[in-house]
Amino acid sequence: TQLLEQSPQFLSIQEGENLTVYCNSSSVFSSLQWYRQEPGEGPVLLVTVVTGGEVKKLKRLTFQFGDARKDSSLHITAAQPGDTGLYLCAGPGVAAGNKLTFGGGTRVLVKP
Amino acid sequence: DAGVIQSPRHEVTEMGQEVTLRCKPISGHNSLFWYRQTMMRGLELLIYFNNNVPIDDSGMPEDRFSAKMPNASFSTLKIQPSEPRDSAVYFCASSRRISRAGWSKETQYFGPGTRLLVL
Repeated sequence: TQLLEQSPQFLSIQEGENLTVYCNSSSVFSSLQWYRQEPGEGPVLLVTVVTGGEVKKLKRLTFQFGDARKDSSLHITAAQPGDTGLYLCAGPGVAAGNKLTFGGGTRVLVKP
Repeated sequence: DAGVIQSPRHEVTEMGQEVTLRCKPISGHNSLFWYRQTMMRGLELLIYFNNNVPIDDSGMPEDRFSAKMPNASFSTLKIQPSEPRDSAVYFCASSRRISRAGWSKETQYFGPGTRLLVL
């Protein structure tokens, strides 16, 4: 079974600060996805990384896929209250098919 | 597009009652997923369908849970009889694989969820 572990589980910061969320596994993934989930809603895809060492930027969010494709990170620069939410990483399962395995999530609270 | 539609949004029921959750995927999507989310266990895949056919139901907790997809635009998740430990938020998601030469991409779009409380 492929597992994705996220850290930290919870992060509380002040507006304007930076933060980094990590997603780690002992298994190699062909790709990893990051989702953000706001209270009362379903997760929404932010980005998919597919190449080892890849870095993708989405405004103030920077996503990195590890060289060995076993880990990924999400860095938020100058966090804003609108960044508050549950951040989930997910990767495809080993078996054929389009099933995703999700990490446990990191709950981020950005205080104004 | 209306996105994935789930109903009801909230359900409160008593232990032993039957619960039916409904999902309408995005038109044109050929995969449908049912997830359950709790604070303790996070987001868990229960079952998924490709082209209306159940592919993997290994995440279904026990025989009290069943899912159907009679056509491409509708799916149900049924719990009978329900128990307090079934209390959770249940999400439906749909996707469509896009393939080009050398790469493919698939994004799951989640519905707003059904918040179930079994007393």
